[in-house]
Amino acid sequence: DAMVIQNPRYQVTQFGKPVTLSCSQTLNHNVMYWYQQKSSQAPKLLFHYYDKDFNNEADTPDNFQSRRPNTSFCFLDIRSPGLGDAAMYLCATSLQLAGGTDTQYFGPGTRLTVL
Amino acid sequence: DQQVKQNSPSLSVQEGRISILNCDYTNSMFDYFLWYKKYPAEGPTFLISISSIKDKNEDGRFTVFLNKSAKHLSLHIVPSQPGDSAVYFCAASDSSASKIIFGSGTRLSIRP
Repeated sequence: DAMVIQNPRYQVTQFGKPVTLSCSQTLNHNVMYWYQQKSSQAPKLLFHYYDKDFNNEADTPDNFQSRRPNTSFCFLDIRSPGLGDAAMYLCATSLQLAGGTDTQYFGPGTRLTVL
Repeated sequence: DQQVKQNSPSLSVQEGRISILNCDYTNSMFDYFLWYKKYPAEGPTFLISISSIKDKNEDGRFTVFLNKSAKHLSLHIVPSQPGDSAVYFCAASDSSASKIIFGSGTRLSIRP
């Protein structure tokens, strides 16, 4: 089945220690998104890639970076995690941007704990 | 500033009855609205959507109603089934943007 895969499902890191979260997709979609979701809050878009074009949300902290080496993979790098970065990180894909009308397909998420 | 609000964090409904989940938005530029459903340990999955040119969209047991003047939409599930127990996210976008804005979700529990 075509799907969006996130690894690892659970990640524990230390305060200030860089961490990388991984997302891969077999849907061959053009767009990949990273969302941050804190407990009982709405998923918040951090950035997205349309093919190789990167679009950062205005309020995404500089501490968060992303890489998309090819169509299938996208990485979220947190350079110096703080306690406030503990959250669920969701990766999603869509075929086109389409003003948000194109269905987004989500991975199961990676829950990040910062000690 | 929350542009999409789901004011009920949780809702409990008896099996077989109607579940009504509500959502309010503040941005009048939004012209497309979606509902996503999320089970524990899984990512959200698309459920149903509606364009602002319509006021109702139906798909099986699921119907979404849009009231543009009130900036309000609702999801009706009838009849409710145990498998409907999940978190439901309302989301909205405007066609000039490249993203959707989510609400904080409502946890629906269907009791026997």
